[in-house]
Amino acid sequence: QKEVEQNSGPLSVPEGAIASLNCTYSDRGSQSFFWYRQYSGKSPELIMFIYSNGDKEDGRFTAQLNKASQYVSLLIRDSQPSDSATYLCAVNPQGAQKLVFGQGTRLTINP
Amino acid sequence: DAGVIQSPRHEVTEMGQEVTLRCKPISGHNSLFWYRQTMMRGLELLIYFNNNVPIDDSGMPEDRFSAKMPNASFSTLKIQPSEPRDSAVYFCASRVRLGGGNQPQHFGDGTRLSIL
Repeated sequence: QKEVEQNSGPLSVPEGAIASLNCTYSDRGSQSFFWYRQYSGKSPELIMFIYSNGDKEDGRFTAQLNKASQYVSLLIRDSQPSDSATYLCAVNPQGAQKLVFGQGTRLTINP
Repeated sequence: DAGVIQSPRHEVTEMGQEVTLRCKPISGHNSLFWYRQTMMRGLELLIYFNNNVPIDDSGMPEDRFSAKMPNASFSTLKIQPSEPRDSAVYFCASRVRLGGGNQPQHFGDGTRLSIL
């Protein structure tokens, strides 16, 4: 089992709809969770981070964390074509300072 | 504010040559990370430093790879000798380390390395 798993996609969503990106992780003691967006040919860019169970909202983005289920998700409301990118989930395992990244989910927003 | 600065942006060289990648972290950040990204393996951590000291180099693929951080504002990743399978995008990232490991990492633009 991979430490951090994401559906590689591609995930296709119509413009204006909600895009839902999911991530599961294997280390139950993981403390911190991050979502990065990566456009083709560019570097990963931090979108959201979440430390506690529940929801965290920032503009059109909502991160959701469920530590009991070892599950973290990212919702993008009112999806725009500019949201088309690969979204990387990253987890900070217990006792470690490094991040473990998932393979990423490629998201396409169709006009 | 300046972000993480990497150089060169692109490097094309022949197999067997020495390659040196450079990174300047964000001022005030005391942790630095080197990653490699390929289509097949995704984003992999190679090594990271806290306060200029290497902490975990378990991701360094083999002895051909070495990394140094002589001071808080500069790090290098060296490959000698280089091989075609080293072709990838290499990213440097930095963050502020405050006790635990929770602070986000910020990435540089990367170096796209091609070994012929």
